[in-house]
Amino acid sequence: KAGVTQTPRYLIKTRGQQVTLSCSPISGHRSVSWYQQTPGQGLQFLFEYFSETQRNKGNFPGRFSGRQFSNSRSEMNVSTLELGDSALYLCASSLGGLGEKLFFGSGTQLSVL
Amino acid sequence: DQQVKQNSPSLSVQEGRISILNCDYTNSMFDYFLWYKKYPAEGPTFLISISSIKDKNEDGRFTVFLNKSAKHLSLHIVPSQPGDSAVYFCAASGDSGYALNFGKGTSLLVTP
Repeated sequence: KAGVTQTPRYLIKTRGQQVTLSCSPISGHRSVSWYQQTPGQGLQFLFEYFSETQRNKGNFPGRFSGRQFSNSRSEMNVSTLELGDSALYLCASSLGGLGEKLFFGSGTQLSVL
Repeated sequence: DQQVKQNSPSLSVQEGRISILNCDYTNSMFDYFLWYKKYPAEGPTFLISISSIKDKNEDGRFTVFLNKSAKHLSLHIVPSQPGDSAVYFCAASGDSGYALNFGKGTSLLVTP
């Protein structure tokens, strides 16, 4: 069974640009979550989608948005990039029930210059 | 506001000894707790979990203990092996449904 796939693996952008990150969940998983990890911080929850609907949203500005497609694949978009957006962005999938363990991808390392 | 806290940023243990990683939480609505392990350049991998109706869960060398009255949980690794060297994250969910609240992690180094 293939794991969670995130593309691209690395990304370099400049301030003010926008970026789209992609995530393909494990086959059969209908929930996709996104997390941001920065140096010295834990993983911070961005949002979670289940069957194309956003069920939860973390405390991030509106520049961060996401969506989920009918095949459960998900994209995350960050507009008007700031230096502080440099981070490892992790996608995780699960069956979608409460307390379900998440299966994480290897992440997209975003650097904003 | 950090609702899940791992107060020890790092821990060093000798091979064969017990590793104890601690985690505190502030939100009494949390009812699922999970531990993840993370190697550099990889995503976190699930280790073990416990629900609030239990106080202990074992899986091989890994045991998680939950003390609800103290809002504290711990992960015991016995015996510790060099391959266990990684960053360990404690996570909790329950108040907002499907989001996991993570601690900042504890970097474990197991020395031969």
